[in-house]
Amino acid sequence: DTAVSQTPKYLVTQMGNDKSIKCEQNLGHDTMYWYKQDSKKFLKIMFSYNNKELIINETVPNRFSPKSPDKAHLNLHINSLELGDSAVYFCASSQILLGTGELFFGEGSRLTVL
Amino acid sequence: KNQVEQSPQSLIILEGKNCTLQCNYTVSPFSNLRWYKQDTGRGPVSLTIMTFSENTKSNGRYTATLDADTKQSSLHITASQLSDSASYICVVSAASVTSGTYKYIFGTGTRLKVLA
Repeated sequence: DTAVSQTPKYLVTQMGNDKSIKCEQNLGHDTMYWYKQDSKKFLKIMFSYNNKELIINETVPNRFSPKSPDKAHLNLHINSLELGDSAVYFCASSQILLGTGELFFGEGSRLTVL
Repeated sequence: KNQVEQSPQSLIILEGKNCTLQCNYTVSPFSNLRWYKQDTGRGPVSLTIMTFSENTKSNGRYTATLDADTKQSSLHITASQLSDSASYICVVSAASVTSGTYKYIFGTGTRLKVLA
């Protein structure tokens, strides 16, 4: 059973479109994250949710809107896609309260904006 | 400013050889340090965790060290295999009980290529 699963794995779309990436974790963790990995392979935090509440919102354009319907899900919606949004987006989860804090990552969603 | 720097940026070695990757950090308040391995097209996976009081820890052919005084960590890979080809990312956690925050500070990674 996959611990952190995200869909779709690949996404190719035109500039200006709106797209969503879904993420689910079955580890019972209290915190979920979205990271962006650019062409230089650096992982940059975008958002963090703890028990469905937003706790980290880095300087990400407001075209990106995370939604956490429950503790196990954190979806990422992107409006008006731009060329610079092309990257691999990783969902992750960890247990912060009384946990190890180890990050568990999904397999990534490669977004290509044409 | 919290920062994690890794060196070298990339490394090519022959199968069977050993190598050592470096991680220097300036993170406060320090909670722990983890090394992650990221295979091409996959998400990062934790290899080992080092807390403040630990100097060395092994996970198979991987051995991590931590010097909390100099704020340096290393990941030593023994008898490298082709499957060790990956990016290795050093991640330092900063936890503050007073402010109730927990942050991960990522290094830029070292890309290791093992050749037959």
